[in-house]
Amino acid sequence: ETGVTQTPRHLVMGMTNKKSLKCEQHLGHNAMYWYKQSAKKPLELMFVYSLEERVENNSVPSRFSPECPNSSHLFLHLHTLQPEDSALYLCASSQFRDRGSGELFFGEGSRLTVL
Amino acid sequence: AQSVAQPEDQVNVAEGNPLTVKCTYSVSGNPYLFWYVQYPNRGLQFLLKYITGDNLVKGSYGFEAEFNKSQTSFHLKKPSALVSDSALYFCAVRDAGNYQLIWGAGTKLIIKP
Repeated sequence: ETGVTQTPRHLVMGMTNKKSLKCEQHLGHNAMYWYKQSAKKPLELMFVYSLEERVENNSVPSRFSPECPNSSHLFLHLHTLQPEDSALYLCASSQFRDRGSGELFFGEGSRLTVL
Repeated sequence: AQSVAQPEDQVNVAEGNPLTVKCTYSVSGNPYLFWYVQYPNRGLQFLLKYITGDNLVKGSYGFEAEFNKSQTSFHLKKPSALVSDSALYFCAVRDAGNYQLIWGAGTKLIIKP
């Protein structure tokens, strides 16, 4: 496998469920990201992990809980979500030490629907 | 504050005609500018970037973009559009001292046969 892989591609959950999104990168990068994509809005950065340490948390509600067990894997744990959390969740990776000049590599996203 | 504007929600172009997708930005320092494309039901793919040097940047799939510092713009262009170019295009910027990207809201490009 190459690139960034996200599972599941589609997820439907009730507001009381607990689920997780998984991301795996095969590019040897040292930074991983979670983004939220809603229609006709800019991408919203949720979390950034560099060398497995969280370096950014953009005021994301605590019902979203990230986990980065190693530099290749990133999870987003979901608990008691709201319908407005329905969106496409994108994982990305990059070489963090490029200090901004490196591009992001994205997975295909997990489409989340909260009922 | 850093910001990116993509003034057009949608751009319609006939196949074979030139296309332009507009992007203007605001950053406090020297900008790093990016274009990404998103095909239906897919993640974003990197197209091209401007970091320094020549103002005209060439990227994937025949796309290019011109950095204009005085107009703070980074418009995406292609001389001859293909139906397969139909997708959502995102402009993004960061300044040289900040790793976080600021994104535009995206422009839907529709190429008609």
